[in-house]
Amino acid sequence: QQQVKQSPQSLIVQKGGISIINCAYENTAFDYFPWYQQFPGKGPALLIAIRPDVSEKKEGRFTISFNKSAKQFSLHIMDSQPGDSATYFCAASMRGGTSYGKLTFGQGTILTVHP
Amino acid sequence: DADVTQTPRNRITKTGKRIMLECSQTKGHDRMYWYRQDPGLGLRLIYYSFDVKDINKGEISDGYSVSRQAQAKFSLSLESAIPNQTALYFCATSDPHETQYFGPGTRLLVL
Repeated sequence: QQQVKQSPQSLIVQKGGISIINCAYENTAFDYFPWYQQFPGKGPALLIAIRPDVSEKKEGRFTISFNKSAKQFSLHIMDSQPGDSATYFCAASMRGGTSYGKLTFGQGTILTVHP
Repeated sequence: DADVTQTPRNRITKTGKRIMLECSQTKGHDRMYWYRQDPGLGLRLIYYSFDVKDINKGEISDGYSVSRQAQAKFSLSLESAIPNQTALYFCATSDPHETQYFGPGTRLLVL
């Protein structure tokens, strides 16, 4: 059972363009939504995260948009650069109980930014 | 030095063999995790441990076992490897703010 669905599976963007990756979740108890970035041959690393008390969070060129009623969140990469080429994973978790800190990941999106 | 290390980095084994993947961390975190990564399936949780005495099954624990030897060490074993366990395996730790720190991964091929 995939509780976090991510799309698209792959994305090709020209340098300077906007990259958008979408995720949808089912469990309304989720209250922490991070995005992880993975370069080839490396483990994933936290890029940016949001909690549902805000609808948007921005860090540099990276922005998370969160829609609680639709149970969706997305990652926007502005002015995409070739160095942003990587695999991106959305994830979700809930506080409290035995599930605290346990992340459920989306399927991943392979982003390629052409020069 | 890396905060989360995994050994070996690459492993080729045969069907039916028992193998162990090891993970060590220097971040001082209590929580540790084992994931496998498959193309198109993302990262799936195999086992997790919230402290040395607490070990829990994840989403796909069948065919795997773990051992938490110390706060810093968490090992994953494949009791009798099969080809569909061919994957990229990651160990991770998490801090109190829920950020997970991943190791570099072990690429496993089961023939």
